[in-house]
Amino acid sequence: EDQVTQSPEALRLQEGESSSLNCSYTVSGLRGLFWYRQDPGKGPEFLFTLYSAGEEKEKERLKATLTKKESFLHITAPKPEDSATYLCAVQGTKAAGNKLTFGGGTRVLVKP
Amino acid sequence: KAGVTQTPRYLIKTRGQQVTLSCSPISGHRSVSWYQQTPGQGLQFLFEYFSETQRNKGNFPGRFSGRQFSNSRSEMNVSTLELGDSALYLCASSLESGALGGNTIYFGEGSWLTVV
Repeated sequence: EDQVTQSPEALRLQEGESSSLNCSYTVSGLRGLFWYRQDPGKGPEFLFTLYSAGEEKEKERLKATLTKKESFLHITAPKPEDSATYLCAVQGTKAAGNKLTFGGGTRVLVKP
Repeated sequence: KAGVTQTPRYLIKTRGQQVTLSCSPISGHRSVSWYQQTPGQGLQFLFEYFSETQRNKGNFPGRFSGRQFSNSRSEMNVSTLELGDSALYLCASSLESGALGGNTIYFGEGSWLTVV
């Protein structure tokens, strides 16, 4: 069964203080690793999909990387508007269709 | 381009009642999945529909059911509601289902269900 563990559970940053979020996963065969951002009371907002080890993707202050066992979401010089819960999910080859298995998320608070 | 639309956004039901939630996927998307999100369990997969057929099902009791219509719109139903069914129910849509290269999956804003 696919499993995803995210750490830390919560992260408090000062504005401009760069940091990284970790997503460790166990999957029979990886079809895709997804990162989402979720604001309170809203649905997850798609950020990135990574497909193979060594792949990297960037969007504004966010950069996602992937190895065979984990993914990192790097937040560079964060701003208060980057405060949100960041969710990681995997799609394995054994799961039919588009089923995503999610981690518990990392709550990020960026203080001005 | 309109996103994934879910209705209603908020609802309160009594134990033992049933509820139907609706989801309109992004135009052209044929796959619709449903997830339950609670503080204790996080996001959990309920089921996926593709071309009106259930493609995959999560570990939820038979009280949870769904269907998809020919226009790709989907509904999920929960019968005999329990207090523990209180959650945010999220719908997600994608162009295709099960592509080897993966699919971008977009979520709606969710339906907040409170069971009292």
